Amino acid sequence: NAGVMQNPRHLVRRRGQEARLRCSPMKGHSHVYWYRQLPEEGLKFMVYLQKENIIDESGMPKERFSAEFPKEGPSILRIQQVVRGDSAAYFCASSHDAATNEKLFFGSGTQLSVL
Amino acid sequence: AQSVAQPEDQVNVAEGNPLTVKCTYSVSGNPYLFWYVQYPNRGLQFLLKYITGDNLVKGSYGFEAEFNKSQTSFHLKKPSALVSDSALYFCAVNAGKSTFGDGTTLTVKP
Repeated sequence: NAGVMQNPRHLVRRRGQEARLRCSPMKGHSHVYWYRQLPEEGLKFMVYLQKENIIDESGMPKERFSAEFPKEGPSILRIQQVVRGDSAAYFCASSHDAATNEKLFFGSGTQLSVL
Repeated sequence: AQSVAQPEDQVNVAEGNPLTVKCTYSVSGNPYLFWYVQYPNRGLQFLLKYITGDNLVKGSYGFEAEFNKSQTSFHLKKPSALVSDSALYFCAVNAGKSTFGDGTTLTVKP
């Protein structure tokens, strides 16, 4: 049973390009969460999705950022027109249930570097 | 709003000594509390959680945590530290849209 899979592990983009980060949750998990981790900082919640629905996007910037979790395929975090401040590690987590006492399973992250 | 504070950026202990990594929280209602560990270039791994019941929770790799409602704390502990315990530790409150502390770097020296 594979864990949460994220790809790519490293992504380099020039300012103004688009970045697409992919996340396949654990088998049987239909709840996906995206977090951003800046150097020397903790994880900051971005968005919570359940299959085909965005449940909570309160932590995601209103512009340039979007997320989806289609019926088939991985969840995608998309950043348009990247800027240097977008450079960070982006982690995806999944859970079997949305209950607040469920533990999260994390992927190994995507390190985004914007030149 | 819920929040988590990890007052120490770094904790240094000698191998074989007990370790404590501190965490305090603020949340309305009953808290669900978690500890995760992060090794370099890896995602977070679940260590343990408190939902209800016994205030002392035992988790992976010999770690335990004590829930203290009056002090709103959930400190992570281990009786005898190992060099391999060196990592970044995160406390979190609730789940799903979890709120994480800023992390504490634990360094265990031989």
